[in-house]
Amino acid sequence: DAKTTQPTSMDCAEGRAANLPCNHSTISGNEYVYWYRQIHSQGPQYIIHGLKNNETNEMASLIITEDRKSSTLILPHATLRDTAVYYCIVRVGDQGGKLIFGQGTELSVKP
Amino acid sequence: EPEVTQTPSHQVTQMGQEVILRCVPISNHLYFYWYRQILGQKVEFLVSFYNNEISEKSEIFDDQFSVERPDGSNFTLKIRSTKLEDSAMYFCASSETRHGETQYFGPGTRLLVL
Repeated sequence: DAKTTQPTSMDCAEGRAANLPCNHSTISGNEYVYWYRQIHSQGPQYIIHGLKNNETNEMASLIITEDRKSSTLILPHATLRDTAVYYCIVRVGDQGGKLIFGQGTELSVKP
Repeated sequence: EPEVTQTPSHQVTQMGQEVILRCVPISNHLYFYWYRQILGQKVEFLVSFYNNEISEKSEIFDDQFSVERPDGSNFTLKIRSTKLEDSAMYFCASSETRHGETQYFGPGTRLLVL
């Protein structure tokens, strides 16, 4: 699985968009980009995933660059409850395989 | 909305004792996983389980660990003889077959070995 690089921490003002970047320059053609988050001491929570097209669901949007070497998770209107560690994970999709978690980005949403 | 449940939420045990952590995956899911997170560290994969057998295990998952799906609904992780370094949060997860990439995690069991 390709390695990902994320900033250690970010701040965001409540109500503003939170844009969380992820670099995955060694991603291969059959690898998906997944985002999970972990609110303090809780189990990780799936957010969104994509292969090459931008994706949007009720929680977030995922923007993947055309060369697929990086992506951005967008929380359009961050709330205090979005304070969490956000993990960008790259792996082959459609298989029941392990998730490899890095250190993630600790997002602090401030009032 | 269906969810993964885990019991107990907290477990305190003496070093050398056996513990069993229990999980009830989402009912139509067929892939099951255990992960652990030592305080302040990353979430680490332990084992995956499909069709009543281990699909993959990490180096952490040594002979002291075992998993079982005893009755078609529960999924258990047994630690035979606990060590101090087994103290961690243990998360169970499950996923469907066809879209196995989306894993749903339980709330975790906090294990403290004294």
